[in-house]
Amino acid sequence: NAGVTQTPKFQVLKTGQSMTLQCAQDMNHEYMSWYRQDPGMGLRLIHYSVGAGITDQGEVPNGYNVSRSTTEDFPLRLLSAAPSQTSVYFCASSRDGYGYTFGSGTRLTVV
Amino acid sequence: GNSVTQMEGPVTLSEEAFLTINCTYTATGYPSLFWYVQYPGEGLQLLLKATKADDKGSNKGFEATYRKETTSFHLEKGSVQVSDSAVYFCALSDQGSNDYKLSFGAGTTVTVRA
Repeated sequence: NAGVTQTPKFQVLKTGQSMTLQCAQDMNHEYMSWYRQDPGMGLRLIHYSVGAGITDQGEVPNGYNVSRSTTEDFPLRLLSAAPSQTSVYFCASSRDGYGYTFGSGTRLTVV
Repeated sequence: GNSVTQMEGPVTLSEEAFLTINCTYTATGYPSLFWYVQYPGEGLQLLLKATKADDKGSNKGFEATYRKETTSFHLEKGSVQVSDSAVYFCALSDQGSNDYKLSFGAGTTVTVRA
């Protein structure tokens, strides 16, 4: 049972490039979320989903897109990377909406 | 809206010392409360939770009691070990408002010295 798998673990992008952070879970969880972690700010919600085909914005959605075509996958797309998007990104999933399992994170640097 | 305020760190302790990390919250509905722990280089792990007033969550020697009257969920451990060195996050989820998102505090870095 792999849990929540995030790829890649590390990524360096140039300003203006686009990329997709992958997140997959094998627990058949309906709820999935993306967070970014910045020093002194805790984790801030970017986007979330309560089931396949349903997504909504969180606290800091600008510059990011998501889709949820399957229960298992919830990719996060950076449309045009900016230095302000340098962060550690975490994907999380939950069966019931309140006990979340987190992935190990993607450390993104935008230069 | 929902928010979590957590004791600022960093906190440095000696082994076997008592640890307490304060956490208070504001919520519009009936939140569930959580403590997550992040060990160096890893993702977050659920440490304990409480879903209603006066519930006590416990795990690995850590405890926290859901106090509705003081809107608090303070984390305590009676005797810490070096292996407890980590970042601790208080969080809430307000299912009573059909809001299944987690709101996090800023995190408290704890370092335990041998």
